[in-house]
Amino acid sequence: AQSVTQLDSHVSVSEGTPVLLRCNYSSSYSPSLFWYVQHPNKGLQLLLKYTSAATLVKGINGFEAEFKKSETSFHLTKPSAHMSDAAEYFCVVRNSVGASKIIFGSGTRLSIRP
Amino acid sequence: NAGVTQTPKFQVLKTGQSMTLQCAQDMNHEYMSWYRQDPGMGLRLIHYSVGAGITDQGEVPNGYNVSRSTTEDFPLRLLSAAPSQTSVYFCASSYRTDTGELFFGEGSRLTVL
Repeated sequence: AQSVTQLDSHVSVSEGTPVLLRCNYSSSYSPSLFWYVQHPNKGLQLLLKYTSAATLVKGINGFEAEFKKSETSFHLTKPSAHMSDAAEYFCVVRNSVGASKIIFGSGTRLSIRP
Repeated sequence: NAGVTQTPKFQVLKTGQSMTLQCAQDMNHEYMSWYRQDPGMGLRLIHYSVGAGITDQGEVPNGYNVSRSTTEDFPLRLLSAAPSQTSVYFCASSYRTDTGELFFGEGSRLTVL
C-alpha cells in the first residue's frame, strides 16, 4: 500500500527566509513524486516532479525538492520566501504500477509574514 | 492551448436535483479523473477513467456517475444532489503512464441547499 504524509498542516515564515515543507511517503514500488501548489480559488499547478532521474529536482518559482529513498522523504524547499508563495501545497505519490494509483497528501498551508 | 476545461464554475442546487459537471481536455490524455476538495480533507478521488469506454470508482463514488464516450470528455453526474455533496470539484487528466503529472481544471464550486 502507498501513502503520503505531509507533516505540517500550516507553515508560517517571514518574507525572505527559507521555506521547508515536509513530505514522507510509503510505496511498495518505485514511486513518482510530485509537488503541486494551489492558490486561493484556483486549480492545482505542478511545481516539480521526481521520476527516478536526479534526486534533486528543481521546479518553478525557485522551489526544489530532494528525493531521499533511505528516509522515504520528498521535502520541498525554497531559499527565500516571497509573498506570492502564500498558498496550499500538496505532495503526491504516483505508483509505478497502475496508472490509477495516485495519492494526495492532506496539504500544507504556507503563510508569509511581511 | 485550453488544457482542462470545467463548466460550470459555480452552481447552486436544491436537494434532490440532478446536474452534470462537464470536463473536457484537448491534450489527448488517456487518463481522466474527478476529485472533490473539502476543508481539512484534501482531495478525494471520486471516479477515474483510463480510456474511452473504461471507468472505475475512486475513494468516494457514492452519489456520482461518470461515463467516457470520447477521449476528450469526462462528465460527472450528480443523480440526486445532497447537502453533503457541497464541495469544490476538480477534473484532472494525464497521459496513461505511471510517471505523468496530472493537469487540473480550475474547479467547479457546487452548493447544495
